[in-house]
Amino acid sequence: AQTVTQSQPEMSVQEAETVTLSCTYDTSENNYYLFWYKQPPSRQMILVIRQEAYKQQNATENRFSVNFQKAAKSFSLKISDSQLGDTAMYFCALRLYSNYQLIWGAGTKLIIKP
Amino acid sequence: GAVVSQHPSRVICKSGTSVKIECRSLDFQATTMFWYRQFPKQSLMLMATSNEGSKATYEQGVEKDKFLINHASLTLSTLTVTSAHPEDSSFYICSARARDGTGELFFGEGSRLTVL
Repeated sequence: AQTVTQSQPEMSVQEAETVTLSCTYDTSENNYYLFWYKQPPSRQMILVIRQEAYKQQNATENRFSVNFQKAAKSFSLKISDSQLGDTAMYFCALRLYSNYQLIWGAGTKLIIKP
Repeated sequence: GAVVSQHPSRVICKSGTSVKIECRSLDFQATTMFWYRQFPKQSLMLMATSNEGSKATYEQGVEKDKFLINHASLTLSTLTVTSAHPEDSSFYICSARARDGTGELFFGEGSRLTVL
């Protein structure tokens, strides 16, 4: 069975600071995707960044980047130059190549303070 | 990106009544749709997976007779909460997988159900 663990229930940083959200996972499969989703107060789930397990290069999307450590089964999200609009719940998720179900972490509530 | 529309966004109903929530893929065909339930300050809990033209596959512990899922077309799936009770009050979210093979999942805006 697959599991995703987010050990930080809540984090807060000052605007413009850099913050890193942690995620670890467990799977015996070799082919999978990892995702970070953002859920702002509006509750709309938004894809932030996606990583394919076979790619060694860490994915980057503007201010968002990941540190993907496959051997350690770690997938952290770094947000640079944080903005007030980054305030949201952030969920780490895993999906196997073999099906389309997402395995979700418990989420981290991120608060960006002005 | 692709758009998934969920309706209604908020619904209040009396105990014992049934409520239908629609999930539409507006600009793509969705072969598979997923229905989730989210409790306050918690993660998403997968309720069921629906494939167009076939019966939904329910997760363990989800009552299929209570949460009726229909996926009659490639752009529409519905979740009907039958004989709703206050404990069914929750946030329900759908997501849809595009038919084009990329596997990308797109999420609806969610529906807040309150059962009085």
